[in-house]
Amino acid sequence: SYVLTQPPSLAAAPGKTATITCGGNNIGSKSVHWYQQKPSQAPVVVISKNTDRPSGIPERFSGANSGNTATLTISRVEAGDEADYYCQVWHSGSDHRGIFGGGTKLTVL
Amino acid sequence: VQVVESGGTLVQPGGSLTLSCAVSGFTFSDYNMNWVRQAPGKGLEWVSYITSGSDTIFYSDSVRGRFTISRDNTKNSVFLRMTSLRVEDTALYYCAKWVAPGYFDSWGQGTLVTVSS
Repeated sequence: SYVLTQPPSLAAAPGKTATITCGGNNIGSKSVHWYQQKPSQAPVVVISKNTDRPSGIPERFSGANSGNTATLTISRVEAGDEADYYCQVWHSGSDHRGIFGGGTKLTVL
Repeated sequence: VQVVESGGTLVQPGGSLTLSCAVSGFTFSDYNMNWVRQAPGKGLEWVSYITSGSDTIFYSDSVRGRFTISRDNTKNSVFLRMTSLRVEDTALYYCAKWVAPGYFDSWGQGTLVTVSS
C-alpha cells in the first residue's frame, strides 16, 4: 500500500521559513494536498493540487512536488502558524482510497 | 458551507452505532462525501467514500465489512453505520466534502465515538 512519510516535528522562529516534507514513491506523479489542523479544530486545506492556494490562505503558504518528495513551505512564519500539518493524496486504482501522511507538528519558537 | 456531524457516544466493544452528517451551503447531490477519523492524539485516517449518486463506495481496510456508508440526497445527509466496534475505532469522526482530483475542501467539527467497556 502507498505510504506518505512526514517528519513528526519541526520548529521555526518567527519570520523564518518552515519547510515540511512529504515523502512517497514517485509522489511527483500524484496530486498532493496539505491541511493545517490547530488544536481542537477541524483540518483546513491550505494547499491543493500541489501548488494551489485556496481563497483566504495567505500567500506565505506554498507547495511543490517532484520526484519522491512534496513540500509545504511557510514563509515569514507567524505564531498563528503553529499547528499540525498533513499531506494527503487520493489513490486511484482497483480500489480508491484517501491516504494521509502521519502529520508534522510545527512549533513556532 | 456547513457540515455538522452527530451521533457519537460511548459504546461497548462489539456494539453498533450510526453517525449522521447534515450539510448545507452547497448542492449536496452534486458532491461525493467521505468520513475521516482521528484517534485521540493521533493523525488523520480516511475511512470511507461515497459518490453523489451512491453508485460507488469505498472503505479503508480497517473498517471494510464492519462499516457501511450511505446518503440521503433528499435530506442533505450522509451516514456511517458502524458495527462490531472495537476499542481501536475510538476516534473523532469527521464528515468531509470531496472534490476532484481527490481532496477534502469542507469538514465538520467531528463527532466523538468512544468504544470501551
